Amino acid sequence: DTEVTQTPKHLVMGMTNKKSLKCEQHMGHRAMYWYKQKAKKPPELMFVYSYEKLSINESVPSRFSPECPNSSLLNLHLHALQPEDSALYLCASSQPGRFRAESGANVLTFGAGSRLTVL
Amino acid sequence: RKEVEQDPGPFNVPEGATVAFNCTYSNSASQSFFWYRQDCRKEPKLLMSVYSSGNEDGRFTAQLNRASQYISLLIRDSKLSDSATYLCVVNMNPPSGTYKYIFGTGTRLKVLA
Repeated sequence: DTEVTQTPKHLVMGMTNKKSLKCEQHMGHRAMYWYKQKAKKPPELMFVYSYEKLSINESVPSRFSPECPNSSLLNLHLHALQPEDSALYLCASSQPGRFRAESGANVLTFGAGSRLTVL
Repeated sequence: RKEVEQDPGPFNVPEGATVAFNCTYSNSASQSFFWYRQDCRKEPKLLMSVYSSGNEDGRFTAQLNRASQYISLLIRDSKLSDSATYLCVVNMNPPSGTYKYIFGTGTRLKVLA
């Protein structure tokens, strides 16, 4: 079963378009994340929501606008993107806070990603 | 200096070989440590969490050295299916109070027949 679901899997948009990426998790997690990954690079953190509040914005340009409507949903609104924004956008979730590794409670679980191409 | 560093490789090894990856982290307040595996054009998937005392899962052994701030992953008896990128991940608690997961650059492994 896919516990973190992202839609759409692929998105092609022009620089003047407005689109959204969606993420839903069914794990009961209270922290959700957006990462951006370019080819042959590691995932790069963009935003963190903890208990539905934005708690980390890693100096992401305002053309990316996150939204967390409830504890299981996370959106990323896209507007006036540039071709260099083309990448794989990964959503992830975890339990916030400090846990012993043995508990498995703080494992970060990813969705399959949305591959974005900006023309 | 990057917060989490790994040798990018690639490591090309024959089937059956033992291979070791290291990862160093700069923030001594880091709390949790993980190894993820990522196949081409797929999402990262948890390989194993790294316990303070070290842990083993089949052919995979993870070790943590807090004093030297490094984590290691040992793969024994490599299989063709182990070919992937291995990402070291550190969960740290910055001043904002919200934990965040930082990825190393990843190490590419190719197991050759």
